[in-house]
Amino acid sequence: DAGVTQSPTHLIKTRGQQVTLRCSPKSGHDTVSWYQQALGQGPQFIFQYYEEEERQRGNFPDRFSGHQFPNYSSELNVNALLLGDSALYLCASSLGQLAYEQYFGPGTRLTVT
Amino acid sequence: GDSVTQMEGPVTLSEEAFLTINCTYTATGYPSLFWYVQYPGEGLQLLLKATKADDKGSNKGFEATYRKETTSFHLEKGSVQVSDSAVYFCALSIGAGNMLTFGGGTRLMVKP
Repeated sequence: DAGVTQSPTHLIKTRGQQVTLRCSPKSGHDTVSWYQQALGQGPQFIFQYYEEEERQRGNFPDRFSGHQFPNYSSELNVNALLLGDSALYLCASSLGQLAYEQYFGPGTRLTVT
Repeated sequence: GDSVTQMEGPVTLSEEAFLTINCTYTATGYPSLFWYVQYPGEGLQLLLKATKADDKGSNKGFEATYRKETTSFHLEKGSVQVSDSAVYFCALSIGAGNMLTFGGGTRLMVKP
C-alpha cells in the first residue's frame, strides 16, 4: 500500500518564476492538505482540498493556488516566486476533512535563487 | 490566534535517560492535540493524540496528557533509545476541518 507520494523531490527556481508541485494521497484517502515548512521551523498550513474544492485556507497570499483532481491527487502552484518561498512543501492526506489521522509525504524541497 | 510553543532544542540525552519535551498552547476553543515525529529525510508521522481534557495519548513508549488547566501537552518517555533521535512537533487542531497548527519543533539527539 503506497503512502503519500510527492514530486519532484527537489527543484530550483529563479525569483519571479512559477512552480507546480504534485501530490498523490494514500490509497483510499480523499482529502489533501498542503503545508510549508521553512528551515528550522514547524509546518504552516497553506490550504486543504476536498471534493475538488478548496475548503480551508491558511494565511498565504493568492500567489499560492491549488487543484484537486477526480482521482484525489493534488497540485500546488506558486506564482511570482520570492526568495522567501524557499522551503520544504509537505502534502498530507486523510479520509475526510475531519479525520485526526493525517499521513504526510516526504515533501518537495524548493529553492528559489 | 491559535498557537503552539515548544521548548527549543536540541535536547541531547544518553540512551535510557528520561525524556520530557514541553509543549503549551493557546487556543480560542477546545483543541485536539498531537505529537508528530520527523525522522531525517522522511515526512511527519503521527506519534500520539488526545482529543479532550485529561486524555492521555500513548504510543511506542511515549506519553502525553492533555492538561486544560495548564494548557499543556508535554511529551514524555521513560527510557529513550538512539532510534528515537528525530525532530518532534507538537500541534493542535480546532474547529471545522483538520488544519494543524504546529510548534517550532524540538530536535532530540540520543547518544549511545
